[in-house]
Amino acid sequence: SAVISQKPSRDICQRGTSLTIQCQVDSQVTMMFWYRQQPGQSLTLIATANQGSEATYESGFVIDKFPISRPNLTFSTLTVSNMSPEDSSIYLCSVGGPAGGSTDTQYFGPGTRLTVL
Amino acid sequence: GQQVMQIPQYQHVQEGEDFTTYCNSSTTLSNIQWYKQRPGGHPVFLIQLVKSGEVKKQKRLTFQFGEAKKNSSLHITATQTTDVGTYFCAGHLNFGNEKLTFGTGTRLTIIP
Repeated sequence: SAVISQKPSRDICQRGTSLTIQCQVDSQVTMMFWYRQQPGQSLTLIATANQGSEATYESGFVIDKFPISRPNLTFSTLTVSNMSPEDSSIYLCSVGGPAGGSTDTQYFGPGTRLTVL
Repeated sequence: GQQVMQIPQYQHVQEGEDFTTYCNSSTTLSNIQWYKQRPGGHPVFLIQLVKSGEVKKQKRLTFQFGEAKKNSSLHITATQTTDVGTYFCAGHLNFGNEKLTFGTGTRLTIIP
């Protein structure tokens, strides 16, 4: 399976500011996804990060609020813009389709725990 | 709204007892996956089921995929303290769609 790292692991931010979360994979992968997991809740898909094109956002999530970059097959960023306390959550990067692996299975990074004051 | 539901939401069991979580989808799934998330951790892939009626075992864990491919279950025999965590099912709602829809999860706690 792929090894995935996320930076930062956690942050405390003031409302109105923005935070960019980085996701790095140790091998080229086809699919990269960004999820949000609020405390005690399930995972909600924010968007699919597409290499070389705009991300595909799920209902309820928009590019202005969560801009995403995917400059290559091993790296992606998610920005949480103009933050409010409601954005406090764990943000998880996941990958599917590691070299030689199934495109169905997803592997998750360690997550970024965001607290907005 | 949430299309994949799990019951129960919480389960507390004595160590050594069995545990089962059930996963139900409002639509047919092309496959079902199960993930485990330890407290403070991230989801870790356990298994994938693809065929209608499929049953797979991993040591004390037994996974089933329903005949109609709309439900699944995870059964743990003789629970241990290492089984603590939240178990999520997840499925692809449409064949060829890479997007996974996660279930609501079942949080398992073990009483030593």
